[in-house]
Amino acid sequence: EAGVAQSPRYKIIEKRQSVAFWCNPISGHATLYWYQQILGQGPKLLIQFQNNGVVDDSQLPKDRFSAERLKGVDSTLKIQPAKLEDSAVYLCASSHRGIRTGELFFGEGSRLTVL
Amino acid sequence: GDSVTQMEGPVTLSEEAFLTINCTYTATGYPSLFWYVQYPGEGLQLLLKATKADDKGSNKGFEATYRKETTSFHLEKGSVQVSDSAVYFCALSGNNAGGTSYGKLTFGQGTILTVHP
Repeated sequence: EAGVAQSPRYKIIEKRQSVAFWCNPISGHATLYWYQQILGQGPKLLIQFQNNGVVDDSQLPKDRFSAERLKGVDSTLKIQPAKLEDSAVYLCASSHRGIRTGELFFGEGSRLTVL
Repeated sequence: GDSVTQMEGPVTLSEEAFLTINCTYTATGYPSLFWYVQYPGEGLQLLLKATKADDKGSNKGFEATYRKETTSFHLEKGSVQVSDSAVYFCALSGNNAGGTSYGKLTFGQGTILTVHP
């Protein structure tokens, strides 16, 4: 079974530029998550999708971050304009809908450096 | 809201030493508890889990017991190996009374483990 795919793996941009990250979840997983992991901290949820609807985006800085999940499969996370504090690893994860144990399957992440 | 607190790190051990990484949590409802591991250059992966009080999760020689009375889920291993060097994250997933997960995970800050030969 293929895992969660993310791209690009690494991205370096200057502040005020824009960047986009792509995620393809495990086939059949209805729920998709984007997490932000700042160096030395645990991952923090940015947004949760159920199919192509947003379940939770309370931690998403909506003035600069946006995310979409068209057709309930792939997802894109965009940052525009980027700030220095956005330097982090952006993790995508997916899970079965309503799974009792709540297990998430993570991609390898996209590392963003903002200069 | 939900929160997870892990012991301060990093932790450095010699091979075959005993490992304990402490984890305590705050949550409403009936959370499920997890340990995730991140090996160098790899993504987060589930190490073990427990879904109700007094459950013991185990995998690859690691164990953790869900203690509701102390709101803890400490990770232990009797004899660590160099290959166990990684970052370990404690996490919880809130559940409703029927046991269905809300889905999202709340993570601790992570503990870096380094094991020397």
